[in-house]
Amino acid sequence: NAGVMQNPRHLVRRRGQEARLRCSPMKGHSHVYWYRQLPEEGLKFMVYLQKENIIDESGMPKERFSAEFPKEGPSILRIQQVVRGDSAAYFCASSPGLAAGTGELFFGEGSRLTVL
Amino acid sequence: EDQVTQSPEALRLQEGESSSLNCSYTVSGLRGLFWYRQDPGKGPEFLFTLYSAGEEKEKERLKATLTKKESFLHITAPKPEDSATYLCAVPGNTPLVFGKGTRLSVIA
Repeated sequence: NAGVMQNPRHLVRRRGQEARLRCSPMKGHSHVYWYRQLPEEGLKFMVYLQKENIIDESGMPKERFSAEFPKEGPSILRIQQVVRGDSAAYFCASSPGLAAGTGELFFGEGSRLTVL
Repeated sequence: EDQVTQSPEALRLQEGESSSLNCSYTVSGLRGLFWYRQDPGKGPEFLFTLYSAGEEKEKERLKATLTKKESFLHITAPKPEDSATYLCAVPGNTPLVFGKGTRLSVIA
């Protein structure tokens, strides 16, 4: 019974390149959340998606960042023209229903982006 | 603005030395408070949900309690394997608002 799968686990990019992070939610989960964690900082909400819909993107920077969760395949967080400040751990989580109901999000192990 | 503040930032305990972690929150209309554990290099793992003041939940050496303004995570007779960062979170204007966590180290 696979949990939330994220890949790649580690990604190195040079400034100006693109980063694509993938997340496959737990089986049966249709809600996906992306969080960013900087060293010594807490988890910061970025975006909440259901299949084919962005429900809440209030935490996502307006430029260079985008997210999708297509009908088929994983959710993707895309960062264009990366800068050093984008270096962080990006966590994906999933839930079967709205997380605020139970608070139980199932997290992946994260993708660690390093921008040189 | 929804806010979650955890203290202390870091805590070092001897094995068997009980203590408590604090989580205070500012949110309009509390709809639950949630505790997670995060090990280094891993994603957070759900521990407890508390919904109303006075509620308590227990799991092994951990007990979570809730008042109207804050929550405590009590750790009784901790072991080295309890070493981790403990996060609390509340539903706010975004799905879950997390505190920065308390980094617990338990020394044998």
